[in-house]
Parts: sequence; structure tokens; C-alpha cells
Amino acid sequence: QSVLTQPPSASATPGQRVTISCSGTRSNIGSNTVNWYQQFPGTAPKLVIYTNNQRPSGVPDRFSGSKSGTSASLAISGLQSEDEATYFCSTWADSLVVFGGGTMLTVL
Amino acid sequence: QLRLQESGPGLVKPSETLSLACSVSGGSISNSNYHWGWIRQSPGGGLEWIGIIYYTGTTSYNPSFRSRVTISLDTSKNQFFLRLTSMTAADTAIYYCVRENFIYGGHPSDSWGQGTLVAVSS
Repeated sequence: QSVLTQPPSASATPGQRVTISCSGTRSNIGSNTVNWYQQFPGTAPKLVIYTNNQRPSGVPDRFSGSKSGTSASLAISGLQSEDEATYFCSTWADSLVVFGGGTMLTVL
Repeated sequence: QLRLQESGPGLVKPSETLSLACSVSGGSISNSNYHWGWIRQSPGGGLEWIGIIYYTGTTSYNPSFRSRVTISLDTSKNQFFLRLTSMTAADTAIYYCVRENFIYGGHPSDSWGQGTLVAVSS
């Protein structure tokens, strides 16, 4: 059972905007910033959003993040087929990093 | 370009100790801006933070592993290590070494090794 709660799956068609949620508590998301990772099958996760809404160099601006209270969201606009992957949220809480269970995004 | 590469046995027997190494190239583990750590991913897909080490040797561990885990480093070889004792089938996972940027509150891991699959079986 993961500390942060994500929907197990999401889907959308190319060109659409999709949002993935991440729910926590005051002691984790409510007290710290949130990161998001993208993972393709058989590869390591890759950081796509850090500090709630910052994109590392090389991540398309179609990816955006937000946080409000004890929840955070990852949004992908102008969805492309190559965005089909599993997305994980994470934050720092009680002296360790905690993760969501991951959301598998399908591009229909 | 920073590169992290895990190495170690792919198969460990129950009750034995796992020892993994992470070789870092393209950057120094003595960089004071980062932690160096280990994260594992279970066959079900969930990610679990194991712990980190700073170049000074200071460590922080997930309480779930605290009695079994040791992370160490060798700055002269630009490597850091994971030692996990009393392995069980529940420890079967892909083990990743990572660079963690602790300047940011959420401690994002901005570089990952490719991961190494460790199976626990007799």
C-alpha cells in the first residue's frame, strides 16, 4: 500500500489534456513539494516535474504540475502517443521519500 | 552527462546478504549539492525509497529497512554501495541507484541508473 494515492489508470486521446491526481496528507504533500516521474516499461523512472511545477531541462512544456493543500496534479496537454507511460508522484515526509502507487496512462 | 551504473548479483539466497555497487561517471559523488541513494521497485510496480548517503558519510534510511540496511561510499572510486541483510522473497525487486537533489524540499531524484534485477530464491 503506497503512502500517496493515485488512480491506477487514466486514458485520453491524442491532442487532449489529461490530469493525474496524487492525494496525501498534511504530513507529506501538505508539508512539502511534489515531484513526478515518467516510466516506460523496462526502463528507469525519469523526473518530469519537481518542486510542484518545475520542469527539468528537456521536458516538454506540455507537462505541468500543481499542488493545493494535500493534493497534487500532473497535467499533460496536447497528448501524444509517446506520453503513454506510468507516472508516479513523490514527496519527502518524516525523513524519507514516499511515492504514489503509479498511474498507467493509455493514449487511445 | 551524469551516468549511474548498478552492479551486483542477480540472484541471492534467502537469509543471505545483498551487496550492490553504483558506479558514477560524469560527475563526482563528493558534490555537496546531492545525496546518493537507492530505490527499489517491486514486481508489482511500486517504488520504495531505501536510503541515501551524503559525501561526508552521513546516511538516512527508510525505517522499514533500518535494521538490515547499510549504505556506504568510496569517494576515491566514485562509487557508493548498498548492503541489505537477511534477504527474503519480499526483497525481490529492481534496485536503482539515484542522485537525489535535497536542495528541493521534495528531494527529487534527478538521475537514475538503469536498475538491476535482484531475485531472492534458493
